[in-house]
Amino acid sequence: DAGVTQSPTHLIKTRGQQVTLRCSPISGHKSVSWYQQVLGQGPQFIFQYYEKEERGRGNFPDRFSARQFPNYSSELNVNALLLGDSALYLCASSLVGQGDYGYTFGSGTRLTVV
Amino acid sequence: AQKITQTQPGMFVQEKEAVTLDCTYDTSDPSYGLFWYKQPSSGEMIFLIYQGSYDQQNATEGRYSLNFQKARKSANLVISASQLGDSAMYFCAMRERTGGGADGLTFGKGTHLIIQP
Repeated sequence: DAGVTQSPTHLIKTRGQQVTLRCSPISGHKSVSWYQQVLGQGPQFIFQYYEKEERGRGNFPDRFSARQFPNYSSELNVNALLLGDSALYLCASSLVGQGDYGYTFGSGTRLTVV
Repeated sequence: AQKITQTQPGMFVQEKEAVTLDCTYDTSDPSYGLFWYKQPSSGEMIFLIYQGSYDQQNATEGRYSLNFQKARKSANLVISASQLGDSAMYFCAMRERTGGGADGLTFGKGTHLIIQP
């Protein structure tokens, strides 16, 4: 079975640009969460989507947005990129949106902003 | 205040020895879950073990066990008979029930474990 897949694996963008990251969950998983991991830190929660609706949002500015599609895949968009947005962006999928502990992470997208 | 505290930035351990990675947490939510993840240099977060706040027994998964001391708000990971492949970053994380129904994880800063031959 395919795990959580993220694309692209690496990305270099210029300050002020916009970026879209993609995530495909494990088949049957309806919940997708996004995390930002800055070098040397643990991941920080950005968004959770369940059944195509936003269920939660971490402490991130409005430049960060996301959506979930009918096939449960998800996109994370970041506008007006800053140097500080350089990080590993991780996607995690789970079977249900609340109460289940089966989070499976992808390998991430490494974003570099120059 | 930090919700998840991992006080060991790095650890060196001899192969085949047991390892204990420390984690303390802070929450007022009576229902929560505690996780340990392993992150090799490739970046993927690999789930190791889970402990629910109402679980009576400590969780075990193969060579991994979780020493859960609820009154002390401690959830240490124990790896028995360490192997060279255990070298990686290890993160403790917590899930709390939020009012909006989201269950995002809060992670600690991690412990870099290096197993020496």
